[in-house]
Parts: sequence; structure tokens; C-alpha cells
Amino acid sequence: GAVVSQHPSRVICKSGTSVKIECRSLDFQATTMFWYRQFPKQSLMLMATSNEGSKATYEQGVEKDKFLINHASLTLSTLTVTSAHPEDSSFYICSASEQGASYNSPLHFGNGTRLTVT
Amino acid sequence: TQLLEQSPQFLSIQEGENLTVYCNSSSVFSSLQWYRQEPGEGPVLLVTVVTGGEVKKLKRLTFQFGDARKDSSLHITAAQPGDTGLYLCAAGNSGYSTLTFGKGTMLLVSP
Repeated sequence: GAVVSQHPSRVICKSGTSVKIECRSLDFQATTMFWYRQFPKQSLMLMATSNEGSKATYEQGVEKDKFLINHASLTLSTLTVTSAHPEDSSFYICSASEQGASYNSPLHFGNGTRLTVT
Repeated sequence: TQLLEQSPQFLSIQEGENLTVYCNSSSVFSSLQWYRQEPGEGPVLLVTVVTGGEVKKLKRLTFQFGDARKDSSLHITAAQPGDTGLYLCAAGNSGYSTLTFGKGTMLLVSP
């Protein structure tokens, strides 16, 4: 089955530093990847849609200069949290849809990254 | 933007009990997916339903798509501790690349 690898699984950083999270599709090509933020025991909040070779589309209220997304290849998207603050601490999850996927195709999720900003 | 209401938000039951989780909207969906997420992991797809009135079974889980394609339900028979997790419904529509997720139902099954 389609596998999405997200790295790192956990990261602790100091306030003011930047953190990069990688999302890789291991056995399929993903033209579109999605980045979510999730608070404890809550649902997924879509942050942005990342399309290979073009600029990401950010959801309302998500600062694009703070959450930098790069989707340089069909198998890799990265999310960089810049100048992190404690309120950015959260669980970040990526998902990918396969090339040619339709609206009812499954999303393949990474296992998430737990970010703690001290 | 479609709004998906999921109920209940939290459910704590004993092993062996039955339960139903609901996902409702005022809008019509082209498709409806159910995912389960365990703590510290990403969601995993359980089922996709696309036809109004469709019923799908996955072992002890029964999924139903409403006739009007505005609502869906997930019924678990004889729940087990391994069913514990966050259950998410997600709606898709033709022409849109993003899914709309419900707020989730947190299920805890105690031995």
C-alpha cells in the first residue's frame, strides 16, 4: 500500500529557531500534499495544500511567511516553521494523494510530527 | 465550504457494547470517507462510500451513506479496546482537491 513517511516524529526547539518537517511519499508520486495541524483530541485543521512545482495554497488565517511550504518533487514536501514560538507547539501531519487521484481517492497520512517549542 | 458535524464528540464505553457515530451536513457530498486515528499516529482510511444508501461492512464496523448523501453513520458491534481512537469523517466533492474533515469522535473502549 501507499506509504507516507514524515520526519522527524518528535522535535523540541528553542523559541525563535526554525524547524523543518519532511513529508515523503515512498512508493507513489504525489502531485498534491496537504499539511494539517492537530490539537489534542481534536480533528485535523488544514493549513495548506502543496502542489508540486507551484506555490502552496494556504487556508485562511495561516501565515504563509511563518509556515513555509516547499514541494520541489513528486515525492517530497517540506514544512518549515520559522521563528517558532511556544504557541506553535502542536502535532503536524501531512497527507498525500496519488497522481491522478480523484475526489474520492484515499488520503495517505504520515505519522505526524510532535513539535514542542520551549 | 461544507460543514461536517460529528456526534458524539466523546464516547467512553465498556468492551462488548455497541455504538454509533454520526456525520451530518446540510450539503450534499460526492463521497464520504471514514478514518481512524490512534494516538501519536496519522489517520488511516477505513472506508469510502459514494452512493446514496450505500452500506459497507468491515468486520464489526458497518458504514452507511444516507440516501440524500448528506449524512453517514458508523456502527461498531461488540466494541473492543483495540477500537479505541479518534474517528474522523471526511467529505469530498467532485472538482475539489481538498477533503473537509468533521471534528472527530474520540472513542475509548475499556476492558
